[in-house]
Amino acid sequence: EAQVTQNPRYLITVTGKKLTVTCSQNMNHEYMSWYRQDPGLGLRQIYYSMNVEVTDKGDVPEGYKVSRKEKRNFPLILESPSPNQTSLYFCASSSGSPVGNYGYTFGSGTRLTVV
Amino acid sequence: QQQVKQSPQSLIVQKGGISIINCAYENTAFDYFPWYQQFPGKGPALLIAIRPDVSEKKEGRFTISFNKSAKQFSLHIMDSQPGDSATYFCAASGYKLSFGAGTTVTVRA
Repeated sequence: EAQVTQNPRYLITVTGKKLTVTCSQNMNHEYMSWYRQDPGLGLRQIYYSMNVEVTDKGDVPEGYKVSRKEKRNFPLILESPSPNQTSLYFCASSSGSPVGNYGYTFGSGTRLTVV
Repeated sequence: QQQVKQSPQSLIVQKGGISIINCAYENTAFDYFPWYQQFPGKGPALLIAIRPDVSEKKEGRFTISFNKSAKQFSLHIMDSQPGDSATYFCAASGYKLSFGAGTTVTVRA
């Protein structure tokens, strides 16, 4: 089954403790992206990657890092999480760019709470 | 700032009724306008999309109406069913995809 897999689904952590949210896709997609979803703000792009070793900032990159060492994987790293990073996070992939023309496949989300 | 403005934030409709969600944009470089549907606990999924050279697109009970001069587009859900209860996001694409804030639709049986 074609899918984007995120782990974990739920995570509660403390301020300052580094964490990684993993994302993997099995569709051989070149384009991958991370979004955060907050009430009243919709989906805001954090980082995206056009291909292996090619990443760039989205609209809200502060406090986040990403890497793309393999085509299928695109982990999201929070080096020092803060409470304002409490959110619902989605990884997405697309077969081409501009992604709007190809459609995104989204993962099921990671609910992160930073206390 | 939000590049795509979406309203209403939520709506309740009776089974069999029509749900209407409106979106507006400013950037005339946008050339593709998809709608995504999100059920609780799931990621958004592409529902229907339209290009600005078309004024209307229909897929089953879902219709997008597009007004290029007004820079507005809307989603109509005809004969709304309880299974349509979800959050709907409009979006606009140029070199990147920008999402609206989302509309939570509740269909009462």
